[in-house]
Amino acid sequence: GENVEQHPSTLSVQEGDSAVIKCTYSDSASNYFPWYKQELGKRPQLIIDIRSNVGEKKDQRIAVTLNKTAKHFSLHITETQPEDSAVYFCAAPTGYSSASKIIFGSGTRLSIRP
Amino acid sequence: KAGVTQTPRYLIKTRGQQVTLSCSPISGHRSVSWYQQTPGQGLQFLFEYFSETQRNKGNFPGRFSGRQFSNSRSEMNVSTLELGDSALYLCASSLHGTGNQPQHFGDGTRLSIL
Repeated sequence: GENVEQHPSTLSVQEGDSAVIKCTYSDSASNYFPWYKQELGKRPQLIIDIRSNVGEKKDQRIAVTLNKTAKHFSLHITETQPEDSAVYFCAAPTGYSSASKIIFGSGTRLSIRP
Repeated sequence: KAGVTQTPRYLIKTRGQQVTLSCSPISGHRSVSWYQQTPGQGLQFLFEYFSETQRNKGNFPGRFSGRQFSNSRSEMNVSTLELGDSALYLCASSLHGTGNQPQHFGDGTRLSIL
């Protein structure tokens, strides 16, 4: 069935430490995996995405890794800062085309302790 | 380019009434998706419209409906409102669809049912 599981639901890390959020998906045809960040009272915004032809993608302090065999992908944030506090959502499509429906994970509330 | 615009930003209704929400996508984007967001429930997919046709649908009752116009603007309608319909309703647009492209979210319409 269509399902994207996201863990943990809440995460608290010390400023400067790393944070890792993991998602698993069920559709083996999925080939596009975005991550969105939603700050309190604001709209979700894409922070990074990865396609199935690569195993890892980095953008400054943010990286995403993909394991297609195990059907999971993870968001890694290094050297966390107060502005990283937000809810993070992963997503995966139920197919491989632009017409495929996208399913969101349930979200991870990340808090950065000063 | 202007971002995704949703109107109104806030709405208060009573049980039994109906409501129409509007979403103007980014110029050139042909896909518009709608989501319901409640505390602790993440982003629940309602439906996606592409070229004036509903292409994907989530698990919501028939009281929730939508449409898309030839200029890609979309409206969502909820009839016979219930207390549980109180939520933030977000729309998002993408060039051709959500399955392999990033979505751009609007600020949402916060609907309160009294």
